[in-house]
Amino acid sequence: QKEVEQNSGPLSVPEGAIASLNCTYSDRGSQSFFWYRQYSGKSPELIMFIYSNGDKEDGRFTAQLNKASQYVSLLIRDSQPSDSATYLCAGTNTGNQFYFGTGTSLTVIP
Amino acid sequence: EAGVVQSPRYKIIEKKQPVAFWCNPISGHNTLYWYLQNLGQGPELLIRYENEEAVDDSQLPKDRFSAERLKGVDSTLKIQPAELGDSAVYLCASSQDSRTDTQYFGPGTRLTVL
Repeated sequence: QKEVEQNSGPLSVPEGAIASLNCTYSDRGSQSFFWYRQYSGKSPELIMFIYSNGDKEDGRFTAQLNKASQYVSLLIRDSQPSDSATYLCAGTNTGNQFYFGTGTSLTVIP
Repeated sequence: EAGVVQSPRYKIIEKKQPVAFWCNPISGHNTLYWYLQNLGQGPELLIRYENEEAVDDSQLPKDRFSAERLKGVDSTLKIQPAELGDSAVYLCASSQDSRTDTQYFGPGTRLTVL
């Protein structure tokens, strides 16, 4: 079982809609979670990190963490074509090892 | 402020040849990471350095891969000999320290083994 699992997609949403990206993790002791965005042919770039249960908002992005369900999500409001990319969920396990998921491909249709 | 620098950006070699990748992290970043990323997959950690010490190399295939960060700044990742399956993008990332875990990635080196 992988440490962090994501639905690879692809996920398509119309411009202006809410895109919902989901991730589950296996190590119940994991503390830190990150969402990275990766455009095709480019390197990952950090969007948000979340450590505490609940929601964390930054502009159009909201990260949600539910430790009881071992579930992390990223919501993108008012999706734009420029949001089209692969979104990588990552976490740090109890051994302080860092794992990425396989990523979810998002396409925002104009 | 300059970002993470990697070279070369692209490398094509024949199997069984050696290859080396170089990374210069963001100034002041003590933690350096080397990742391997295959197409359609997330980055997989190969090795993590805290200053010059390799604190996590559990995923590094030590029979053919080696890495060094002698002065705690720039780092080199080597493969000898390369195999066809080593074709991938090799990413270097750095962070101020492992507690923050906010990693900044370099542009990567795309390796093709023929």
